[in-house]
Amino acid sequence: TQLLEQSPQFLSIQEGENLTVYCNSSSVFSSLQWYRQEPGEGPVLLVTVVTGGEVKKLKRLTFQFGDARKDSSLHITAAQTGDTGLYLCAESGNTGKLIFGQGTTLQVKP
Amino acid sequence: SAVISQKPSRDICQRGTSLTIQCQVDSQVTMMFWYRQQPGQSLTLIATANQGSEATYESGFVIDKFPISRPNLTFSTLTVSNMSPEDSSIYLCSVEVRSDGYTFGSGTRLTVV
Repeated sequence: TQLLEQSPQFLSIQEGENLTVYCNSSSVFSSLQWYRQEPGEGPVLLVTVVTGGEVKKLKRLTFQFGDARKDSSLHITAAQTGDTGLYLCAESGNTGKLIFGQGTTLQVKP
Repeated sequence: SAVISQKPSRDICQRGTSLTIQCQVDSQVTMMFWYRQQPGQSLTLIATANQGSEATYESGFVIDKFPISRPNLTFSTLTVSNMSPEDSSIYLCSVEVRSDGYTFGSGTRLTVV
């Protein structure tokens, strides 16, 4: 079973600061997804990365997929209080089952 | 993207009883997935529900404790049986829509007292 290690587990920063969340695996990802979850809601898909070395941007969020497809990162520039939430990386593989990393709880303070 | 209606959104139950959680999807999907999530933590897959066949359970989860029904391509239920306080958690259903990735219900927050 693929293990997804996500770090850090908790992050508390001031509004305006930058941050990076990491997701690493013991084996190659077929594709990787990043989700954000707010309290009382299910996770919402932010992005899917498929190709090694791929970089995708979503407003202030930048997602990178490692060249070897065994790691990924999410970078948030100038964090806002609305970015507060649980960030999850996940891999679906060939079985269709979505397996999640441990998650990163982000708190952005005003 | 698919829209999932999950209910109940929360419940408080007595130990030893059972609770059935329902998920309704607005489109036909082959597989539906059931997850458990402790507050503030990640999601753990319980089982995959396929229409017309028995659900496939992940390690640590058994059918007697979490029976699943999948009567058609838009609906599934998960029952948490003979509940104990350790079953207190958030339960979520999910479907994959090829063009949009995975969509989740809003979750059922279960407290067992």
